[in-house]
Amino acid sequence: GNSVTQMEGPVTLSEEAFLTINCTYTATGYPSLFWYVQYPGEGLQLLLKATKADDKGSNKGFEATYRKETTSFHLEKGSVQVSDSAVYFCALKPEGGFKTIFGAGTRLFVKA
Amino acid sequence: GAVVSQHPSRVICKSGTSVKIECRSLDFQATTMFWYRQFPKQSLMLMATSNEGSKATYEQGVEKDKFLINHASLTLSTLTVTSAHPEDSSFYICSARRGQQGVSYNEQFFGPGTRLTVL
Repeated sequence: GNSVTQMEGPVTLSEEAFLTINCTYTATGYPSLFWYVQYPGEGLQLLLKATKADDKGSNKGFEATYRKETTSFHLEKGSVQVSDSAVYFCALKPEGGFKTIFGAGTRLFVKA
Repeated sequence: GAVVSQHPSRVICKSGTSVKIECRSLDFQATTMFWYRQFPKQSLMLMATSNEGSKATYEQGVEKDKFLINHASLTLSTLTVTSAHPEDSSFYICSARRGQQGVSYNEQFFGPGTRLTVL
């Protein structure tokens, strides 16, 4: 079946550090891949997405590249800020499907 | 961008009462809406999928008689938690999908969530 696995948190970084949150997936064909961010007490916001292999999604300094060969969609940011503290969810939507499947989420704490 | 609202944002109720949560797509027509439940520090669990004008499709293990979903129009879906108990306390998030039924558009927008506390 379809599933998403992402690194366990929490991840604690100092401001301006480099961030990587790993995400791998299991799915047939070519799913669409997403990263969502959830700030404390709020719902989810779409951070970025990629819909085909080798696509790079980017937004607000975050990037992730759809790697079909490694079934991965790792989230990266070169220099994190305190305001990036949140929970990040990797997700996929199967090819031809409409249900979004979420990973467990990774909590990020950024210290000043 | 597309906006999805939920009302109320927080609700506290007594055990045994029913609570209704509204989900609205403010600037687009949502043929499909999804209801998720999120436990503290956990991921989202899909509860049900509702299509406008038809009965909701519930995920395995979700009681349809307890979590009543109505999708009466293209901009409104409601989730009613009937005879609520403390174990129903959770964060409920709706999501609306823009596009035609049967067509897999990759546009899904999330509401801000409703925190339900049952005493």
